[in-house]
Amino acid sequence: GAVVSQHPSRVICKSGTSVKIECRSLDFQATTMFWYRQFPKQSLMLMATSNEGSKATYEQGVEKDKFLINHASLTLSTLTVTSAHPEDSSFYICSASNRGYGYTFGSGTRLTVV
Amino acid sequence: GIQVEQSPPDLILQEGANSTLRCNFSDSVNNLQWFHQNPWGQLINLFYIPSGTKQNGRLSATTVATERYSLLYISSSQTTDSGVYFCAVESMTTDSWGKLQFGAGTQVVVTP
Repeated sequence: GAVVSQHPSRVICKSGTSVKIECRSLDFQATTMFWYRQFPKQSLMLMATSNEGSKATYEQGVEKDKFLINHASLTLSTLTVTSAHPEDSSFYICSASNRGYGYTFGSGTRLTVV
Repeated sequence: GIQVEQSPPDLILQEGANSTLRCNFSDSVNNLQWFHQNPWGQLINLFYIPSGTKQNGRLSATTVATERYSLLYISSSQTTDSGVYFCAVESMTTDSWGKLQFGAGTQVVVTP
């Protein structure tokens, strides 16, 4: 079945630093991947759509300069949280579409900014 | 955008009991999925079910697309079924491809 790998699973960083999160489709090619954010006890909210070889598209209210997305290959998308602040602390999770089977999610990254 | 409502918000079950979770959505959909989020945050895809009925072990799901709702059935619940169950839909509108809209989830606790 479709597997999406996400790393790291947990990261703690200092305020003002940047953090990169990787999302890989292991057994299928994904021209499009999606990044979601989940705050504690809340549902998932789509942040942006990552398109291989082109710019990401961001949902309303998501700062594109803070959340940099790069989709350099058919199996890898990265999300970089730049100049992180405590309010960016959240659970970030990526997904990819495997045609006919819906969307498969990575295991998520819990970011804590101190 | 499309609205997704899940009920009940919380559910406490004794091991062995059966339960039904409901998902109502406000518009036509290309895709509907049920997920189980475990305590570590991993989203497990339970069903890809834009219409019809599917079964997988003790779990089954039914989507009636014309009436815009889906049901997830848990039979003979076990403590490992605890967690949050999410319904997520992809609207049929052209600008919604790939964008899953999640419901607020149902928190399920199964007690021994």
